[in-house]
Amino acid sequence: EVQLVESGGGLVQPGGSLRLSCAASGFTFRDYAMSWVRQAPGKGLEWVSSIVGSGDSTYYADSVKGRFTVSRDNSKNTLYLQLNSLRAEDTAIYYCAKAIRETTYWFDPWGQGTLVTVSS
Amino acid sequence: EIVLTQSPATLSLSPGERATLSCWASQSVKNYLAWYQQKPGQAPRLFIYDASNRATGIPARFSGSGSGTDFTLTISSLEPEDFAIYYCQQRYSWPITFGQGTRLEIK
Repeated sequence: EVQLVESGGGLVQPGGSLRLSCAASGFTFRDYAMSWVRQAPGKGLEWVSSIVGSGDSTYYADSVKGRFTVSRDNSKNTLYLQLNSLRAEDTAIYYCAKAIRETTYWFDPWGQGTLVTVSS
Repeated sequence: EIVLTQSPATLSLSPGERATLSCWASQSVKNYLAWYQQKPGQAPRLFIYDASNRATGIPARFSGSGSGTDFTLTISSLEPEDFAIYYCQQRYSWPITFGQGTRLEIK
């Protein structure tokens, strides 16, 4: 069974940093692109970032470009998202999600999410 | 950026009725469109991909259609567990975008 478990969320002050992790199991991690999608409280879904299986290519939403960095450690089956220069509008549940095929960016499954709250 | 617009924002129907949800793209996405279901307190779940393919385990009462800019998710006969929020998503071009969602509620 494919499982994705996010961690690392929490309360952080504006301008602060946080690193999110997503531990994957149940599939050959290096063979699949992975993504982060966030959801602000009571709002819709917003794609944040994606990374191909090798880690060689990454993609970002304009809203986070230059502030967030996606990476992966295929030896640890773990996806990361480094969040820097955080703003109040970054407050959201952050989900990691697996591509259904190598670089076919339909997201299935999703993790349970980790909440990031940016507030002073 | 491709903007996806979903209609209606809220759809109120009764179990057993047919539901039709729409998603319009600001430019052609060919058939690179998916639908997700999200229930309160849960992560989204993939239901339809490539406009018309059901994901694993999705009941046959769910069907997707359309191409280019106009897409539809149809639920042929609503079951109680179908009441949720549905989002469309395109992967035709970066950035990946989602629609704002349609809330399907019990009438």
